[in-house]
Amino acid sequence: QKEVEQNSGPLSVPEGAIASLNCTYSDRGSQSFFWYRQYSGKSPELIMSIYSNGDKEDGRFTAQLNKASQYVSLLIRDSQPSDSATYLCAVNAGGADGLTFGKGTHLIIQP
Amino acid sequence: DAGVIQSPRHEVTEMGQEVTLRCKPISGHNSLFWYRQTMMRGLELLIYFNNNVPIDDSGMPEDRFSAKMPNASFSTLKIQPSEPRDSAVYFCASSFGIGDTEAFFGQGTRLTVV
Repeated sequence: QKEVEQNSGPLSVPEGAIASLNCTYSDRGSQSFFWYRQYSGKSPELIMSIYSNGDKEDGRFTAQLNKASQYVSLLIRDSQPSDSATYLCAVNAGGADGLTFGKGTHLIIQP
Repeated sequence: DAGVIQSPRHEVTEMGQEVTLRCKPISGHNSLFWYRQTMMRGLELLIYFNNNVPIDDSGMPEDRFSAKMPNASFSTLKIQPSEPRDSAVYFCASSFGIGDTEAFFGQGTRLTVV
Protein backbone atom coordinates (compact mmCIF):
# COMPACT_ATOMS: atom_id res chain seq x y z
CA GLN A 1 0.00 0.00 0.00
CA LYS A 2 1.59 3.25 -1.13
CA GLU A 3 1.05 6.01 1.40
CA VAL A 4 1.62 9.73 1.38
CA GLU A 5 1.40 11.47 4.74
CA GLN A 6 0.78 15.13 5.45
CA ASN A 7 -0.13 17.05 8.58
CA SER A 8 -3.74 18.10 8.06
CA GLY A 9 -3.31 21.40 9.90
CA PRO A 10 -4.59 23.99 9.93
CA LEU A 11 -1.20 25.64 9.65
CA SER A 12 -1.50 29.32 10.47
CA VAL A 13 1.23 31.68 9.22
CA PRO A 14 1.35 35.49 9.41
CA GLU A 15 1.36 37.42 6.17
CA GLY A 16 4.87 37.97 4.84
CA ALA A 17 6.37 35.00 6.69
CA ILE A 18 7.60 31.70 5.26
CA ALA A 19 5.11 28.82 5.18
CA SER A 20 6.66 25.36 5.38
CA LEU A 21 4.64 22.32 4.29
CA ASN A 22 5.90 18.78 4.70
CA CYS A 23 5.16 15.39 3.21
CA THR A 24 6.51 11.87 3.68
CA TYR A 25 5.95 8.87 1.43
CA SER A 26 6.23 5.15 1.93
CA ASP A 27 7.41 3.83 -1.45
CA ARG A 28 11.19 4.17 -1.62
CA GLY A 29 11.07 3.67 -5.38
CA SER A 30 8.99 6.80 -5.97
CA GLN A 31 10.35 8.96 -8.75
CA SER A 32 8.09 11.97 -9.31
CA PHE A 33 6.76 14.41 -6.76
CA PHE A 34 4.18 17.16 -7.09
CA TRP A 35 2.57 19.88 -5.01
CA TYR A 36 -0.99 20.85 -5.85
CA ARG A 37 -2.97 23.74 -4.41
CA GLN A 38 -6.71 23.42 -3.91
CA TYR A 39 -8.95 26.31 -2.97
CA SER A 40 -12.19 25.48 -1.19
CA GLY A 41 -14.76 24.18 -3.66
CA LYS A 42 -12.28 24.15 -6.54
CA SER A 43 -10.17 21.53 -8.27
CA PRO A 44 -6.48 20.86 -7.55
CA GLU A 45 -3.96 22.81 -9.62
CA LEU A 46 -0.26 22.03 -9.95
CA ILE A 47 2.17 24.54 -8.48
CA MET A 48 5.46 22.59 -8.36
CA SER A 49 7.01 19.37 -9.58
CA ILE A 50 10.36 17.91 -8.50
CA TYR A 51 12.17 14.79 -9.66
CA SER A 52 15.67 14.85 -8.16
CA ASN A 53 17.17 15.45 -4.74
CA GLY A 54 17.70 19.04 -3.69
CA ASP A 55 15.82 22.29 -4.10
CA LYS A 56 13.78 23.64 -6.97
CA GLU A 57 12.68 27.26 -6.93
CA ASP A 58 9.85 28.91 -8.85
CA GLY A 59 9.05 32.45 -7.80
CA ARG A 60 7.98 32.46 -4.17
CA PHE A 61 7.79 28.66 -4.08
CA THR A 62 10.62 26.23 -3.33
CA ALA A 63 10.21 22.46 -3.40
CA GLN A 64 12.73 20.33 -1.54
CA LEU A 65 13.26 16.60 -2.04
CA ASN A 66 15.24 14.12 0.05
CA LYS A 67 14.78 10.62 -1.33
CA ALA A 68 16.96 9.02 1.37
CA SER A 69 14.59 10.33 4.03
CA GLN A 70 11.52 9.87 1.81
CA TYR A 71 10.60 13.46 2.45
CA VAL A 72 9.41 16.31 0.27
CA SER A 73 8.57 19.84 1.36
CA LEU A 74 7.21 23.08 -0.02
CA LEU A 75 8.29 26.51 1.16
CA ILE A 76 6.23 29.59 0.37
CA ARG A 77 8.12 32.83 0.90
CA ASP A 78 6.45 36.18 1.55
CA SER A 79 3.13 34.44 2.23
CA GLN A 80 0.02 36.23 1.01
CA PRO A 81 -3.61 35.82 2.10
CA SER A 82 -4.28 34.45 -1.41
CA ASP A 83 -1.99 31.52 -0.54
CA SER A 84 -4.60 30.30 1.96
CA ALA A 85 -5.68 26.93 0.58
CA THR A 86 -5.18 23.21 1.01
CA TYR A 87 -1.85 21.95 -0.33
CA LEU A 88 -1.77 18.39 -1.62
CA CYS A 89 1.41 16.37 -1.96
CA ALA A 90 1.33 13.78 -4.77
CA VAL A 91 3.80 11.00 -5.49
CA ASN A 92 4.31 8.71 -8.47
CA ALA A 93 6.16 5.44 -7.99
CA GLY A 94 7.11 5.24 -11.64
CA GLY A 95 6.23 2.82 -14.39
CA ALA A 96 2.51 2.40 -14.87
CA ASP A 97 1.50 3.83 -11.52
CA GLY A 98 -0.79 6.82 -11.21
CA LEU A 99 -0.42 9.57 -8.66
CA THR A 100 -1.02 8.90 -4.96
CA PHE A 101 -2.14 11.97 -3.04
CA GLY A 102 -1.80 12.90 0.59
CA LYS A 103 -4.88 14.23 2.36
CA GLY A 104 -3.50 17.74 2.25
CA THR A 105 -2.45 20.48 4.65
CA HIS A 106 -4.84 23.36 5.22
CA LEU A 107 -2.81 26.59 5.20
CA ILE A 108 -4.15 29.86 6.57
CA ILE A 109 -2.25 33.10 5.98
CA GLN A 110 -3.23 35.66 8.59
CA PRO A 111 -3.30 39.30 7.36
CA ASP B 1 -8.00 24.60 -24.95
CA ALA B 2 -10.98 24.60 -22.58
CA GLY B 3 -9.30 22.20 -20.18
CA VAL B 4 -10.80 19.02 -18.79
CA ILE B 5 -14.58 19.23 -18.96
CA GLN B 6 -16.81 17.31 -16.58
CA SER B 7 -20.55 17.03 -16.47
CA PRO B 8 -22.74 17.42 -14.62
CA ARG B 9 -21.25 19.83 -12.05
CA HIS B 10 -23.77 18.76 -9.44
CA GLU B 11 -25.89 15.62 -9.19
CA VAL B 12 -28.45 14.77 -6.56
CA THR B 13 -29.99 11.34 -6.82
CA GLU B 14 -31.89 8.86 -4.74
CA MET B 15 -30.34 5.74 -3.34
CA GLY B 16 -30.57 2.87 -5.80
CA GLN B 17 -30.55 5.03 -8.91
CA GLU B 18 -27.94 4.83 -11.64
CA VAL B 19 -25.53 7.74 -11.90
CA THR B 20 -23.30 8.51 -14.88
CA LEU B 21 -20.51 11.05 -14.72
CA ARG B 22 -18.87 12.29 -17.89
CA CYS B 23 -15.45 13.61 -18.77
CA LYS B 24 -13.80 15.13 -21.83
CA PRO B 25 -9.98 15.22 -21.44
CA ILE B 26 -7.67 17.83 -22.89
CA SER B 27 -7.09 17.17 -26.57
CA GLY B 28 -3.81 15.32 -27.15
CA HIS B 29 -3.55 13.92 -23.64
CA ASN B 30 -3.23 10.13 -23.60
CA SER B 31 -3.93 9.40 -19.94
CA LEU B 32 -7.17 9.91 -18.05
CA PHE B 33 -7.76 9.51 -14.34
CA TRP B 34 -10.88 9.31 -12.19
CA TYR B 35 -10.50 10.45 -8.57
CA ARG B 36 -12.94 10.65 -5.67
CA GLN B 37 -12.49 13.21 -2.88
CA THR B 38 -14.05 13.11 0.57
CA MET B 39 -13.10 14.81 3.82
CA MET B 40 -12.37 11.49 5.48
CA ARG B 41 -10.36 9.76 2.76
CA GLY B 42 -8.94 12.66 0.76
CA LEU B 43 -8.29 12.28 -2.96
CA GLU B 44 -8.43 8.64 -4.03
CA LEU B 45 -7.49 7.29 -7.44
CA LEU B 46 -10.31 5.08 -8.69
CA ILE B 47 -9.12 4.09 -12.16
CA TYR B 48 -6.94 5.36 -14.95
CA PHE B 49 -6.68 4.82 -18.67
CA ASN B 50 -3.75 5.11 -21.00
CA ASN B 51 -4.49 5.32 -24.73
CA ASN B 52 -8.13 4.47 -23.92
CA VAL B 53 -7.15 1.20 -22.19
CA PRO B 54 -7.83 0.71 -18.46
CA ILE B 55 -4.45 0.26 -16.76
CA ASP B 56 -5.33 0.05 -13.08
CA ASP B 57 -8.82 -0.19 -11.60
CA SER B 58 -7.71 -1.39 -8.17
CA GLY B 59 -9.10 1.78 -6.61
CA MET B 60 -12.66 1.12 -7.76
CA PRO B 61 -14.47 0.50 -4.48
CA GLU B 62 -16.77 -2.29 -5.63
CA ASP B 63 -18.63 -3.79 -8.53
CA ARG B 64 -21.23 -1.05 -8.43
CA PHE B 65 -18.62 1.20 -10.04
CA SER B 66 -17.61 0.93 -13.67
CA ALA B 67 -15.71 3.18 -16.08
CA LYS B 68 -15.31 3.28 -19.82
CA MET B 69 -13.29 5.22 -22.33
CA PRO B 70 -14.70 4.48 -25.78
CA ASN B 71 -12.46 7.02 -27.50
CA ALA B 72 -9.69 9.51 -26.77
CA SER B 73 -12.08 12.37 -26.08
CA PHE B 74 -14.67 10.84 -23.77
CA SER B 75 -14.93 8.80 -20.59
CA THR B 76 -17.73 7.84 -18.22
CA LEU B 77 -17.87 6.71 -14.62
CA LYS B 78 -21.04 4.87 -13.72
CA ILE B 79 -22.41 3.93 -10.31
CA GLN B 80 -25.26 1.42 -10.27
CA PRO B 81 -26.95 1.23 -7.82
CA SER B 82 -25.88 4.35 -5.98
CA GLU B 83 -25.67 4.49 -2.19
CA PRO B 84 -25.43 7.43 0.27
CA ARG B 85 -21.78 6.55 1.02
CA ASP B 86 -20.96 7.30 -2.62
CA SER B 87 -21.59 10.98 -1.93
CA ALA B 88 -18.35 12.81 -2.77
CA VAL B 89 -16.72 15.05 -5.34
CA TYR B 90 -15.56 13.08 -8.36
CA PHE B 91 -12.70 14.53 -10.37
CA CYS B 92 -11.48 13.60 -13.80
CA ALA B 93 -7.91 14.51 -14.77
CA SER B 94 -5.81 14.05 -17.88
CA SER B 95 -2.11 14.17 -18.74
CA PHE B 96 0.43 13.35 -21.47
CA GLY B 97 1.91 10.54 -19.41
CA ILE B 98 0.76 8.33 -16.58
CA GLY B 99 2.40 9.66 -13.45
CA ASP B 100 5.55 11.54 -14.33
CA THR B 101 3.90 14.57 -15.85
CA GLU B 102 1.40 17.16 -14.71
CA ALA B 103 -2.20 16.04 -14.41
CA PHE B 104 -4.83 18.67 -15.19
CA PHE B 105 -8.07 18.39 -13.25
CA GLY B 106 -11.62 19.11 -14.31
CA GLN B 107 -13.93 21.15 -12.10
CA GLY B 108 -15.40 18.02 -10.56
CA THR B 109 -18.87 16.61 -10.09
CA ARG B 110 -20.38 16.94 -6.64
CA LEU B 111 -22.53 13.85 -6.14
CA THR B 112 -25.11 13.64 -3.38
CA VAL B 113 -27.02 10.39 -2.90
CA VAL B 114 -30.02 10.72 -0.60
